[in-house]
Amino acid sequence: NAGVTQTPKFRVLKTGQSMTLLCAQDMNHEYMYWYRQDPGMGLRLIHYSVGEGTTAKGEVPDGYNVSRLKKQNFLLGLESAAPSQTSVYFCATYPGSLQYLGNQPQHFGDGTRLSIL
Amino acid sequence: AQRVTQPEKLLSVFKGAPVELKCNYSYSGSPELFWYVQYSRQRLQLLLRHISRESIKGFTADLNKGETSFHLKKPFAQEEDSAMYYCAPPCTSGAGSYQLTFGKGTKLSVIP
Repeated sequence: NAGVTQTPKFRVLKTGQSMTLLCAQDMNHEYMYWYRQDPGMGLRLIHYSVGEGTTAKGEVPDGYNVSRLKKQNFLLGLESAAPSQTSVYFCATYPGSLQYLGNQPQHFGDGTRLSIL
Repeated sequence: AQRVTQPEKLLSVFKGAPVELKCNYSYSGSPELFWYVQYSRQRLQLLLRHISRESIKGFTADLNKGETSFHLKKPFAQEEDSAMYYCAPPCTSGAGSYQLTFGKGTKLSVIP
């Protein structure tokens, strides 16, 4: 099993360009999350999804959109990239209430390093 | 919702010295806490979960309900322990969804 796979691993964009980050999981987890990680700021939740077809805003959702059309995929979109969105983006999954086995951890992808010039 | 606070952004210790990474939490029910570790340019990975009371790589963490703390400890630091450490609870909203909120993280630097 691959677990959580993020593509691409690296990307450089120009201000104003758009792009989509893909998170794919093969663990049949209900919940998926997108975080950004910045020095001194820790992990901040951008958006999350509690199931196919559902999304919700996290702590820092502005400038991002997400979609969860299929249970195994969670897409993060930047419609008009800004230098402030330069960051490392992590996707994570969690089994969810229907699969709650007690005290389960999140599973993380390897991250996507995004630089916006 | 459960929230955690990691008061130290950076902690530097000498090799062989004891390490304590602090985590305090607030909660409205029984806490279920984790410690994650992130080595340089790698993904976060689970280090410890409090309910299992296990010791991983020499690290332990005890839940202190009186002090609402879940500090991570190791008696003798090794250079390979240098990493970012995150304390995290699970969190449920009123709708039953799981919005997981991490602490800000503590960067541990072990000096040779």
